[in-house]
Amino acid sequence: QSVLTQPPSTSGTPGQGVSISCSGGRFNIGGNTVNWYQQLPGAAPKLLIYNDNQRPSGVPARFSGSKSGTSASLAISGLLSEDESDYYCAAWDDSLDAWVFGGGTKVTVL
Amino acid sequence: QVHLVQSGAEVKKPGASVKVSCKASGYTFSHYTIYWVRQAPGQSLEWMGWINGGDGNTKYSQKFQGRVTITRDTSASTAYMELSSLKSDDAGIYYCASRYKAAMDYWGQGTLLAVSS
Repeated sequence: QSVLTQPPSTSGTPGQGVSISCSGGRFNIGGNTVNWYQQLPGAAPKLLIYNDNQRPSGVPARFSGSKSGTSASLAISGLLSEDESDYYCAAWDDSLDAWVFGGGTKVTVL
Repeated sequence: QVHLVQSGAEVKKPGASVKVSCKASGYTFSHYTIYWVRQAPGQSLEWMGWINGGDGNTKYSQKFQGRVTITRDTSASTAYMELSSLKSDDAGIYYCASRYKAAMDYWGQGTLLAVSS
């Protein structure tokens, strides 16, 4: 059972947009910034978004992050087949004194 | 650019210990933090702890406290994670990740650990 809650899966057709939610509490998302990671099949995770809404260099602008209160979201616009992957949110938790992750969301491109 | 290379796959018996290495290049090792994260088969990611590359200070997840030891050798730009008293549910992939510009921004390729008698 993950501290941060994500939907197990979502899907979209090429060119569509999808959004992934990440729900937490006041000790994690509510008080700290959120990172998002993409994990392609058989690969290591890759940082997609940090500090709620910042993209590292090289990450396409199709990926965007937002946060409100104790929830965060990752939006992918103009879905491409290469976006088919698992996505994880993460935040520092002041109560657990640990980094916590969401359970992951599998994005399928139909 | 930042590059993290981990040691190879391991097979251990229950009760044994494993030590995984993570060699960093492309930046000044002592300036940044190295994290360790594990992923059990088909499961999410789980933070284990970190080490400050400069002063060697560590912080561990309560879940692994007492079983995990993270060290570093600045002369070799390498961090190590040792997990003791292995159980079958310790099997999975162990990753190191750096804090260069953001927490866990660059990742190693992962080290597969199998635990079997």
